[in-house]
Amino acid sequence: DSGVTQTPKHLITATGQRVTLRCSPRSGDLSVYWYQQSLDQGLQFLIQYYNGEERAKGNILERFSAQQFPDLHSELNLSSLELGDSALYFCASSVSENQPQHFGDGTRLSIL
Amino acid sequence: DQQVKQNSPSLSVQEGRISILNCDYTNSMFDYFLWYKKYPAEGPTFLISISSIKDKNEDGRFTVFLNKSAKHLSLHIVPSQPGDSAVYFCAPHGYNFNKFYFGSGTKLNVKP
Repeated sequence: DSGVTQTPKHLITATGQRVTLRCSPRSGDLSVYWYQQSLDQGLQFLIQYYNGEERAKGNILERFSAQQFPDLHSELNLSSLELGDSALYFCASSVSENQPQHFGDGTRLSIL
Repeated sequence: DQQVKQNSPSLSVQEGRISILNCDYTNSMFDYFLWYKKYPAEGPTFLISISSIKDKNEDGRFTVFLNKSAKHLSLHIVPSQPGDSAVYFCAPHGYNFNKFYFGSGTKLNVKP
């Protein structure tokens, strides 16, 4: 158990819809990261927050947004969903940016 | 922009033998290298890391070697065990920039 909790585990929705993925980081971790993994590919970094502030951005689409709340949990919002957005979305957390990341078990998003 | 490459999608070895997983990177600014292991239906878990000031780091059965001039690192597992069967990702990181990269992974199968 990594201590990182992601909800929901599975999400099925339709094109054009909007969903919110939630992540609770490991206790004490200030940094939260979001990744997308499509079809047995590598993890693509989306965005990172540190103590509520956006710290780094990767290949995140404009239709996607995220935030980290004062209690350090984070949400990833995906809107105007397309079939290609079907993927596993992982959240990870770490004490600081230069420490190994601890991953949740992911949210599997299926767009029909 | 493929900063990290794991050219072997899969590897099969006999229990007790050595497993060697390879990773190549292009950006000389990377100075901290991590390996993660991933079982099906779980998030990646941190396995071992190496700093660019070293060329070898050992932790039990796992050893990571870094060749900076070749921009190449490898993970050795000796002896390999069936429980090591998983997907292994290399993840280089740079202290001076905030992008987080993962290779596409190598699926290791250790046969009993």
